[in-house]
Amino acid sequence: AQSVSQHNHHVILSEAASLELGCNYSYGGTVNLFWYVQYPGQHLQLLLKYFSGDPLVKGIKGFEAEFIKSKFSFNLRKPSVQWSDTAEYFCAVNAGKSTFGDGTTLTVKP
Amino acid sequence: DTEVTQTPKHLVMGMTNKKSLKCEQHMGHRAMYWYKQKAKKPPELMFVYSYEKLSINESVPSRFSPECPNSSLLNLHLHALQPEDSALYLCASSPLAGAYNEQFFGPGTRLTVL
Repeated sequence: AQSVSQHNHHVILSEAASLELGCNYSYGGTVNLFWYVQYPGQHLQLLLKYFSGDPLVKGIKGFEAEFIKSKFSFNLRKPSVQWSDTAEYFCAVNAGKSTFGDGTTLTVKP
Repeated sequence: DTEVTQTPKHLVMGMTNKKSLKCEQHMGHRAMYWYKQKAKKPPELMFVYSYEKLSINESVPSRFSPECPNSSLLNLHLHALQPEDSALYLCASSPLAGAYNEQFFGPGTRLTVL
């Protein structure tokens, strides 16, 4: 069975600070990895995804993530956050069906 | 059209009521999903339909009954629910079922069971 662990439950940053959200997964085979974002009052949207190839993937709104196979990790990064990045962030793995991590609430102070 | 639409947005029902949630997509996707999301929790997969056939049922109680009338529509029929079933119910679709597909989510139906 696959599982996903997000280490940070709630992160509070000031604008312009750098962001890194941790995501580790557990699965014995090949998985596909996703980060979704849920802005307040809005539906889940895809930020970025990794299937194969370059382990550094770039997504929308300046986000990127790095897949490190040896560490079973897929951490999300952004060099400089904005107030509008305040949202809930979910890491997900899919090895036939999707499993989501518990989510990280990001609050960016103006 | 890259949207997944869900109706109603909000639903309040008693434990003896029968109601249905509806989901629609016009992206030509052949896989559709129902998820349940409690506050501050991740979405939990309930059902997966692939080519209008139920392919995954995550041991969901029978008081939840999914239906896929055609490739664009997905329903979730509700009967004799419990207060603990109150949650946000999300519908999603993807081009195909399986690992290599991102999912497109609808805004959800917020269900309250009294």
